[in-house]
Amino acid sequence: DGGITQSPKYLFRKEGQNVTLSCEQNLNHDAMYWYRQDPGQGLRLIYYSQIVNDFQKGDIAEGYSVSREKKESFPLTVTSAQKNPTAFYLCASSTLGGANVLTFGAGSRLTVL
Amino acid sequence: GQNIDQPTEMTATEGAIVQINCTYQTSGFNGLFWYQQHAGEAPTFLSYNVLDGLEEKGRFSSFLSRSKGYSYLLLKELQMKDSASYLCAVLDSNYQLIWGAGTKLIIKP
Repeated sequence: DGGITQSPKYLFRKEGQNVTLSCEQNLNHDAMYWYRQDPGQGLRLIYYSQIVNDFQKGDIAEGYSVSREKKESFPLTVTSAQKNPTAFYLCASSTLGGANVLTFGAGSRLTVL
Repeated sequence: GQNIDQPTEMTATEGAIVQINCTYQTSGFNGLFWYQQHAGEAPTFLSYNVLDGLEEKGRFSSFLSRSKGYSYLLLKELQMKDSASYLCAVLDSNYQLIWGAGTKLIIKP
């Protein structure tokens, strides 16, 4: 079945450590996205990519980095520069152009100890 | 600024009907989405409206009024599995999605 796989589902990090969240899709979608979800707030866009080897900052890119070396993969690194990284992170993908429905992964919950 | 407003929480009874409202102020409009998200899980697509009117899809319907900046999601014959958060999102003039904070729907037997 086609879909998006995020891993790990739960991750604990000590302050000062970088962590990388994995996102893989087999839907042949060109566009991929990373969102952050906090209680009481709407989804906020961190980064997105529409083509391999290219990506754009979203609304809250500071303290995060991404890469898009393969169409299927869009990993997110939460760096030590992110001051409040504890959150639920969602990866999504879609086809390009116009109003396209997002398909989401199951999410990764990051907790900083 | 851009803003999407939804009620934070609603409670309804199994078998009943509930309407979840969403009002928006955005720079341009290219459509409105509703997603369902069970706790700790991925959001899943429910509906997309770009023209005024009602779109019906089984027990779920979605309505849009562009002149009023208003949409609602109507859930009929509520089931316990409908307990979830319902997210409203608007596609602005730059085709960027603006998300509401979501409405947590609690279904009681």
